[in-house]
Amino acid sequence: DIQLIQSPSSLSASVGDRVTITCRASQTIYKYLNWYQQKPGKAPEVLINGASSLQGGVPSRFSGSGSGTEFTLTISSLQLEDFATYYCQQSYNQWTFGQGTKVEIK
Amino acid sequence: QVQLHESGPGLVKPSETLSLTCTVSGGSIGGYYWSWIRQSPGKGLEWIGNIYSSGTTTYNRSLKSRVTISVDMSKKQFSLKLTSVTAADTAVYYCARHGAGNWSYFDYWGQGTLVTVSS
Repeated sequence: DIQLIQSPSSLSASVGDRVTITCRASQTIYKYLNWYQQKPGKAPEVLINGASSLQGGVPSRFSGSGSGTEFTLTISSLQLEDFATYYCQQSYNQWTFGQGTKVEIK
Repeated sequence: QVQLHESGPGLVKPSETLSLTCTVSGGSIGGYYWSWIRQSPGKGLEWIGNIYSSGTTTYNRSLKSRVTISVDMSKKQFSLKLTSVTAADTAVYYCARHGAGNWSYFDYWGQGTLVTVSS
């Protein structure tokens, strides 16, 4: 099974900060990598699919990059509504998720 | 707007069978894949399995021996059965939709339902 490891597991940041989350796959998954945002008590919502394609309605401060085994989610200027947990998910071989990165207010 | 809604018992006894149903509204059930995903504090988000509208299923290899997913096109519902449950199966269970192929992603989710395994 393909494992996804996110780093860091949590981070504290301030409004306006640039935030970067990394997702590493245990084997190549090409660009079959999606990113989700989850807020407490809610289901995850897709932000980015195919490693770098922004979903409609998602603010442009979110961006994704990478291919193969290393991927990055970047929030260019953190806003209050972005404090949440972020998950990567691969769709190359069945579906697995990273363990999550919780973004907290500093 | 597609909406998914999970329903079923919130409490299941150890060794019994967990049964949940997901009802789809606001869109067609045909032409899509429908998945069950669970989330527990210990294991994070875990994909359980999916079913295509034709009835073809794929299961997570680690759960395959205990999982059955079925679909009822006329009711626009799909269902999950998980047998021989233990406390480790306690989780919030989500149903979700995704498309075909490697570029797929989960675009619509239910609100989730908490299932606790306890005597």
